[in-house]
Order: sequence, then C-alpha cells, then structure tokens
Amino acid sequence: DAGVIQSPRHEVTEMGQEVTLRCKPISGHDYLFWYRQTMMRGLELLIYFNNNVPIDDSGMPEDRFSAKMPNASFSTLKIQPSEPRDSAVYFCASSLDPRETQYFGPGTRLLVL
Amino acid sequence: KQEVTQIPAALSVPEGENLVLNCSFTDSAIYNLQWFRQDPGKGLTSLLLIQSSQREQTSGRLNASLDKSSGRSTLYIAASQPGDSATYLCAVPFSGSARQLTFGSGTQLTVLP
Repeated sequence: DAGVIQSPRHEVTEMGQEVTLRCKPISGHDYLFWYRQTMMRGLELLIYFNNNVPIDDSGMPEDRFSAKMPNASFSTLKIQPSEPRDSAVYFCASSLDPRETQYFGPGTRLLVL
Repeated sequence: KQEVTQIPAALSVPEGENLVLNCSFTDSAIYNLQWFRQDPGKGLTSLLLIQSSQREQTSGRLNASLDKSSGRSTLYIAASQPGDSATYLCAVPFSGSARQLTFGSGTQLTVLP
C-alpha cells in the first residue's frame, strides 16, 4: 500500500480564499483523523471519522472549517474563508482499529497570506 | 483532560551514546501509548506502540517502557546515530477514548557525528 496520501503538499493562498485539503487513507482502514500542527499548539486533533461518519468534531476551531468523507477512500478538509492564523501543517492519519497505531500522511503545509 | 509532557524539549548527544527520552501523562486510564518520530518537514512515523497490559516494547535499537501507575513512559535509544536525529513524540488516547490521541510537544534530538 502507498500509505496515507495527502494533496496538495504545499498550499499558499490569500486571506479570504477557500482552501480544500485532500486525503486518501490506507485501504481497509475504518478510522480517519485530521490533525493540525503549529509551533504554538503542537499537534491537535480536529475531527475523526469511523466508517465515513464523523464521530467527533469538537476540535474543529470554527465554523469556517468543515470536513467530509464521501466514501471510504477519500476525505476533504475545507477552510472557507481562510485566515492567516490558519497557517499550519495539516495531517491526515488512518488506522484499522482504534487500539492500533495511526498511520500519518506527509501533511499539507498551508500558508495563508 | 489528558495532558502529556515530554522532557527534555531538546537533546544533543555525540554519536554512539545511549539516551533516554521521557514522556509523562496525567490520566493513567489509557489503552496504549505510542512513540512517533517526525523528521523536519515530514509526517509522523510510528515507532512503537505499547498496549496498557505491556511494560515494554522493543524494535531494533529502540526500547519503550510503560509504567501506567506512575504515568510515565521512556524511549531508550541505544548506540545513537546521526540518522536518529529527529523529533520524537509520544501520544496517548484522550481519557475515556481509545481513538483520540493527545500528543506531547516532542523532544528534538540531534546526534552529532
């Protein structure tokens, strides 16, 4: 398996623009997680899905953030409108079982000017 | 709320030394504890996962221990190499949940040739 795939790897946009981050989990993994990493706050869980259903989105910072998982092999994290404070690295991870390890994608480095 | 602390924040050692990284957590009711490695500009790679019923796990030159009662874990790296230079993070599930991870802020390790 190619592992967790994220796109784009880098994104530079201007404040107010819509940003869409994409993730393809490892095939067969029932759990998908979106994280954000910043120097100030470290790694934070934003939302996670189980069998394509959002289970806990309490980490989503604001209504500007939304996430979907239309099928088992694809998820998106959307920010609309984007703000400079959203600049961070966004990671997607997947796992087969909640008690087993999570496999992380390479991340999307987002810069909002 | 689970809190995870890693000490030291940064560590620099000469090649060949054995070293120990520390992780402490506040809620001992955990299912497992994971150690990850993050290289600059890259995603996280899982190194070891210790189930709550285990006291240690070994992989090559790495050995991780877990003491739930004291809320501590250590990652021991034997005969360190320059290629071990990276940030090491530990993660434990949120209290009451096996799915959501709380990450420590990491220890940045530099192994000098």
